[in-house]
Amino acid sequence: DVKVTQSSRYLVKRTGEKVFLECVQDMDHENMFWYRQDPGLGLRLIYFSYDVKMKEKGDIPEGYSVSREKKERFSLILESASTNQTSMYLCASRGPGLLNTEAFFGQGTRLTVV
Amino acid sequence: DQQVKQNSPSLSVQEGRISILNCDYTNSMFDYFLWYKKYPAEGPTFLISISSIKDKNEDGRFTVFLNKSAKHLSLHIVPSQPGDSAVYFCAASADYKLSFGAGTTVTVRA
Repeated sequence: DVKVTQSSRYLVKRTGEKVFLECVQDMDHENMFWYRQDPGLGLRLIYFSYDVKMKEKGDIPEGYSVSREKKERFSLILESASTNQTSMYLCASRGPGLLNTEAFFGQGTRLTVV
Repeated sequence: DQQVKQNSPSLSVQEGRISILNCDYTNSMFDYFLWYKKYPAEGPTFLISISSIKDKNEDGRFTVFLNKSAKHLSLHIVPSQPGDSAVYFCAASADYKLSFGAGTTVTVRA
């Protein structure tokens, strides 16, 4: 059974804190993604990575950075958390390459910034 | 600029009847389309997909129709069941990444 695992289900952080969201997949997928889900806006792509140490900005990268040092792990970093980053964060993986396949999602991290 | 649009935020349907969810897209480079289902506090789960070379794909109670000339796809659920109550997202792909719509919340009434 394929698995994408996010390190936390719920997080509460203070404004200005540095926040790390971790994601691990066990499918040997090249492509990994970070989305955020907000009511009425659907899933919006923050960053994605198509290979180790490779990353590309998605539609809303401001205030975020990412790290992919190993194929199975993709981290999202909020350098200085702000209240407008309160959201549901979803990690996904997809592979291989450009073949038409579905993406698999983790269970999500509900982040609240106070 | 949202390239995938779901214009109906909600849909209420009686158990046993058909649910029809609609999705429009603007990017003519999209060649693969997917539907996901999401329960609260969980990640989205894949339902069904269709390649741009087809106009219909069926999997049990779920059928997806694609009209490329209209840049429109729809998901039919027949018959609708209480467990189908969830948020449904339409997604489209032209390369590595998936672009999602805003979602439609389906409520199946007993």
